[in-house]
Amino acid sequence: KQEVTQIPAALSVPEGENLVLNCSFTDSAIYNLQWFRQDPGKGLTSLLLIQSSQREQTSGRLNASLDKSSGRSTLYIAASQPGDSATYLCAVTGANSKLTFGKGITLSVRP
Amino acid sequence: GAVVSQHPSRVICKSGTSVKIECRSLDFQATTMFWYRQFPKKSLMLMATSNEGSKATYEQGVEKDKFLINHASLTLSTLTVTSAHPEDSSFYICSAIRGTSGAYEQYFGPGTRLTVT
Repeated sequence: KQEVTQIPAALSVPEGENLVLNCSFTDSAIYNLQWFRQDPGKGLTSLLLIQSSQREQTSGRLNASLDKSSGRSTLYIAASQPGDSATYLCAVTGANSKLTFGKGITLSVRP
Repeated sequence: GAVVSQHPSRVICKSGTSVKIECRSLDFQATTMFWYRQFPKKSLMLMATSNEGSKATYEQGVEKDKFLINHASLTLSTLTVTSAHPEDSSFYICSAIRGTSGAYEQYFGPGTRLTVT
């Protein structure tokens, strides 16, 4: 059974700092990995999708990497801003298109 | 991009009543839709996979008679919480994909907050 782990559960950083969020998964047989953002009481916003054959994806200040063999992914946020404060969820797609989510990392960026 | 909507966004109902939540893919045909549940400060839990024109496949531990799922068209899936109880209060989120392969990206709806009093 696939398990996705995100540690730490919460992170607080000052504005402007570059930061890395980590995600690990136990079964490397995945189709893809996605990073999502969730604001309090809201749905999910897809940030980046990395197919299993890819190593990384970039969108603006965000860069996500995937090392399938070691079961790890990182989300790099450059020059963090208070507006980046949210919960970041990592999820992997396995058999039958099922997504398995981590519990998320709640990020707070202090002005 | 692909847009998925959910209705209602919030619903409060009395214990014992039934509530229907709609999930629509607005600009694409969704062969497969998924229903998730999220408890406070917890991750999303997959409840069931819904394929158009066939019965939904429920995850272990999810009561199919309590959470009725219908996927009658390629753009609409509904989740009905029957005889709701306070423990059913949660955030329900749907997602949709264009095909059936796991390589397709899942597009998520904005979620429905259900409160059962």
